[in-house]
Amino acid sequence: NAGVTQTPKFQVLKTGQSMTLQCAQDMNHNSMYWYRQDPGMGLRLIYYSASEGTTDKGEVPNGYNVSRLNKREFSLRLESAAPSQTSVYFCASSESGPYGYTFGSGTRLTVV
Amino acid sequence: GIQVEQSPPDLILQEGANSTLRCNFSDSVNNLQWFHQNPWGQLINLFYIPSGTKQNGRLSATTVATERYSLLYISSSQTTDSGVYFCAVKGFQKLVFGTGTRLLVSP
Repeated sequence: NAGVTQTPKFQVLKTGQSMTLQCAQDMNHNSMYWYRQDPGMGLRLIYYSASEGTTDKGEVPNGYNVSRLNKREFSLRLESAAPSQTSVYFCASSESGPYGYTFGSGTRLTVV
Repeated sequence: GIQVEQSPPDLILQEGANSTLRCNFSDSVNNLQWFHQNPWGQLINLFYIPSGTKQNGRLSATTVATERYSLLYISSSQTTDSGVYFCAVKGFQKLVFGTGTRLLVSP
């Protein structure tokens, strides 16, 4: 099925550990995004990639890095996880311009 | 940046009732979407509706871009409609989400 695939679905980290969240889309979209969702809040943009080879910061980029590996894949890395990064992370993709977004099913991350 | 406000924040309905959810936004947008986040956390794209009216079964949406608001109508609500409804708008490059309307439909 066409869509956005995120891995892993769940992860528990200890403070200071690192990990990479993976995202891949098979819709040939140019733009990809990473959002986080905290309890009682909407989604906030961490980083986005408007096209292959470019990345830009969103609202809450501190503590994260991203890599647009190719047109299909956009990864999010936590170099030194902190409890404040406990959240649900969503990856999304869209065509460039005024088009709708498609979201992955999310990664629930807990940092203890 | 663009501000997105949704109302009401919480809504409780009996099964079979109708409801209207509202989204106000502060600036011109070229992209507006409504999402349903189900109790399992999955975000489901309901409508892409930068202007005009669309219908999909019991759900319909209207966006009046010149007046900077959008409405989501749910008719004959069912328990499976429960969850959080998000409005999200896009200005220049990024999609900005409202804080959502939490809907509970009781049998």
